[in-house]
Amino acid sequence: DIQMTQSPASLSASLGETISIECRASEDIYSNLAWYQQKSGKSPQLLIYAANRLQDGVPSRFSGSGSGTQYSLKISGMQPEDEGDYFCLQGSKFPYTFGAGTKLELK
Amino acid sequence: QIQLVQSGPELKKPGESVKISCKASGYTFTDYAMHWVKQAPGKGLKWMGWINTYTGKPTYADDFKGRFVFSLEASASTANLQISNLKNEDTATYFCARFRGGRGYFDYWGQGVMVTVSS
Repeated sequence: DIQMTQSPASLSASLGETISIECRASEDIYSNLAWYQQKSGKSPQLLIYAANRLQDGVPSRFSGSGSGTQYSLKISGMQPEDEGDYFCLQGSKFPYTFGAGTKLELK
Repeated sequence: QIQLVQSGPELKKPGESVKISCKASGYTFTDYAMHWVKQAPGKGLKWMGWINTYTGKPTYADDFKGRFVFSLEASASTANLQISNLKNEDTATYFCARFRGGRGYFDYWGQGVMVTVSS
């Protein structure tokens, strides 16, 4: 199985701060990487797919980058509504696997 | 608009069975595969497998072979997840998610169904 190592596990950011979350795959996943935001008690919401494509309706302060085994999600200017849990998903090979998640809080 | 609406929360005893539904609307049901994802309380997401909504063929992740069954009511644009012989460790929220092929990701998710297994 492809292991997705996500870091950091938690993050506290000030309003307007730029933050990054990383996911490292145990093998090449060919940019088949998506990022999700999940708020407490809700279902995950798609932010980024294919490593760097912004889902319709998602604010442009979210961006994704990476290739091969290394991927990152950047939030350029933390907003209060960005608090939540963030997960990466590799959709390259079965079984699909998720990162363990990053809890993002507003400082 | 595209929606996946799941059935309500369930409280079951060990050994019982549960069936969860996921009703799709706003798109052609058979055009997109449906996947299932488990989230235990306070934990991350675990992929359970998927069902081909055109042929009805299910595929299960290794940890979900045996007691888990994916099925369809295609005429009702509904995917179902049945879990038999429930165990305490099945306590979790179960999500259905629509799969976008090509780049392998889920674009729409159901709201989740909390299944609690307790004696």
